[in-house]
Amino acid sequence: AQSVTQLGSHVSVSEGALVLLRCNYSSSVPPYLFWYVQYPNQGLQLLLKYTTGATLVKGINGFEAEFKKSETSFHLTKPSAHMSDAAEYFCAVSLRSNDYKLSFGAGTTVTVRA
Amino acid sequence: KAGVTQTPRYLIKTRGQQVTLSCSPISGHRSVSWYQQTPGQGLQFLFEYFSETQRNKGNFPGRFSGRQFSNSRSEMNVSTLELGDSALYLCASSLEGAHWYNEQFFGPGTRLTVL
Repeated sequence: AQSVTQLGSHVSVSEGALVLLRCNYSSSVPPYLFWYVQYPNQGLQLLLKYTTGATLVKGINGFEAEFKKSETSFHLTKPSAHMSDAAEYFCAVSLRSNDYKLSFGAGTTVTVRA
Repeated sequence: KAGVTQTPRYLIKTRGQQVTLSCSPISGHRSVSWYQQTPGQGLQFLFEYFSETQRNKGNFPGRFSGRQFSNSRSEMNVSTLELGDSALYLCASSLEGAHWYNEQFFGPGTRLTVL
């Protein structure tokens, strides 16, 4: 079975500071990995995804994530936080063996301080 | 191109009632998936419909059901509502179905409150 763990349910950063959101997965085979963002009263929007190939993935809004197989991690980073980054972020995995159903982490709420 | 739309956006029901939620996918998308989002359980997969057939189902009781019409619009129904059914119900559409290369586009959700 696959599972996703997001370390830290809340993260507070200063505007301009590094944003680092942690995601670890457990799976017997490397899954497909995703990061989604949810703004208040909105649905989820895909930030980026890792399928195969380059382990450093660049997404929208300046976010990127690195797949590290040895650490079973897929942490999300942004070098400089902006006020508009305040939202909830979800890491998700899917596996062919699970019909590619998305399994989500519990989410991390990001607050950006002026 | 219009995004995924869900109606209604907000709904208040009482225990024991039933409810129907609607989702219109992006034009041309044939797959619709439904998710339940609660503070306690997070985001959980309910089911996926593709070409009017349920192709995948999550671990929810039979009170939760759905269907898809020939125009790919989908409805989900919850019968005999319980307090624990209060949640944000999200619908997502994709071109061909749940596959790693088919990005799922999410609607804004329907906020269901059960009193």
